Amino acid sequence: EVQVVESGGGLVQPGGSLRLSCAGSGFTFSDHYMDWVRQAPGKGLEWVGRIRNKADSYTIEYAASVKGRFTISRDDSKNSLYLQINSLKTEDTAVYYCVRDIYWGQGTLVTVSS
Amino acid sequence: QAVVTQEPSLTVSPGGTVTLTCGSSTGAVTSGHYSYWFQQKPGQAPRALIYDTGNKSPWTPARFSASLLGGKAALTLSGAQPEDEAEYYCLLSYSATRVFGGGTKLTVL
Repeated sequence: EVQVVESGGGLVQPGGSLRLSCAGSGFTFSDHYMDWVRQAPGKGLEWVGRIRNKADSYTIEYAASVKGRFTISRDDSKNSLYLQINSLKTEDTAVYYCVRDIYWGQGTLVTVSS
Repeated sequence: QAVVTQEPSLTVSPGGTVTLTCGSSTGAVTSGHYSYWFQQKPGQAPRALIYDTGNKSPWTPARFSASLLGGKAALTLSGAQPEDEAEYYCLLSYSATRVFGGGTKLTVL
């Protein structure tokens, strides 16, 4: 069974940093592109970014709204995907989802507040 | 950045048929946009119904179908059920980014 499980969310002060993780199981993690998507409270879905697989040179793409503050990485040896978020802003408050194609995790909540 | 447009809300009668659409500010939506459709119910994570324009996820009920229609991606629900009441989002891929539509709130009433 394909599963992706996010972790690492929590309450952070503005200007702080956070690293989210996503553990994949039930599939060959290294074969797949992986995405991060977020959803602010009561709002729609926002694509954050994507990291391709080794075959496609681990190319990374970001939404314009997060470029420069967000860094996506992966460790295929650990079947894991990461999202490093720096200089957190209140508007980054959202549930962050890890996505593999049609498979979504349950999300991890990031709250940015003083 | 491209803007992806969906109807803000639609209503369908139980057993009825409704089509949700997904347009792109850059022009016609094509198979090259690899459109996805997601369903989200309150308090739940989104669930992918359709990928790559018209392919169904393993859990997608047969009453859902998708295609390209009039320059847009389209999701058709035939024989609506009360449990289909939800928010529906489309996702389009561009050369270096992906963009969600604003979502369509579908009411079954």
